[in-house]
Amino acid sequence: GAVVSQHPSRVICKSGTSVKIECRSLDFQATTMFWYRQFPKQSLMLMATSNEGSKATYEQGVEKDKFLINHASLTLSTLTVTSAHPEDSSFYICSARGSGTDRPHEQYFGPGTRLTVT
Amino acid sequence: GEDVEQSLFLSVREGDSSVINCTYTDSSSTYLYWYKQEPGAGLQLLTYIFSNMDMKQDQRLTVLLNKKDKHLSLRIADTQTGDSAIYFCAESGTGGFKTIFGAGTRLFVKA
Repeated sequence: GAVVSQHPSRVICKSGTSVKIECRSLDFQATTMFWYRQFPKQSLMLMATSNEGSKATYEQGVEKDKFLINHASLTLSTLTVTSAHPEDSSFYICSARGSGTDRPHEQYFGPGTRLTVT
Repeated sequence: GEDVEQSLFLSVREGDSSVINCTYTDSSSTYLYWYKQEPGAGLQLLTYIFSNMDMKQDQRLTVLLNKKDKHLSLRIADTQTGDSAIYFCAESGTGGFKTIFGAGTRLFVKA
């Protein structure tokens, strides 16, 4: 149980376009979802935390107008990278925490989305 | 603020034991985790320990916690080439709201 999926797994987009990444909890209700960014050979950088039905809380230095997060339901959160630039190329990982799992304190991670902006 | 530190690289021979160390600063840490990340994949929880425990064993994995020194270790017995990955130490506090991750230790297993 406690599976988190992400879609797409890989995306290539042109500079200036927007791209949406979906994160879904498949068998539990994700009351809180987290979005991370990971640079090559580096750790996870928390971008934002979202609770279902409320606005996301962004970490310092993360532009909320550039990285739009929507957590409209207990099973889905989306991250939209607006007006993407090559420096936005990265590995984006979501995680979810919620009710109905064996360990409600634990974050369950998605498989990640590799974004490449050309 | 809270911080989690771990060494960046560890190389062992197949069949040997691996020990990955981690230190943290948050004295109110409630849960301490070890995650594994294989290339191009998300994070997989390996094991976790509650802060009132000293040790936890799960098959080839042994977690030791020294709460006084804020030191956590992960021992992998009989390390296999399939164990090659990045291992992240993480902690979350009493509220359990935010999890702080270390930079990850890249484990390389030589055949």
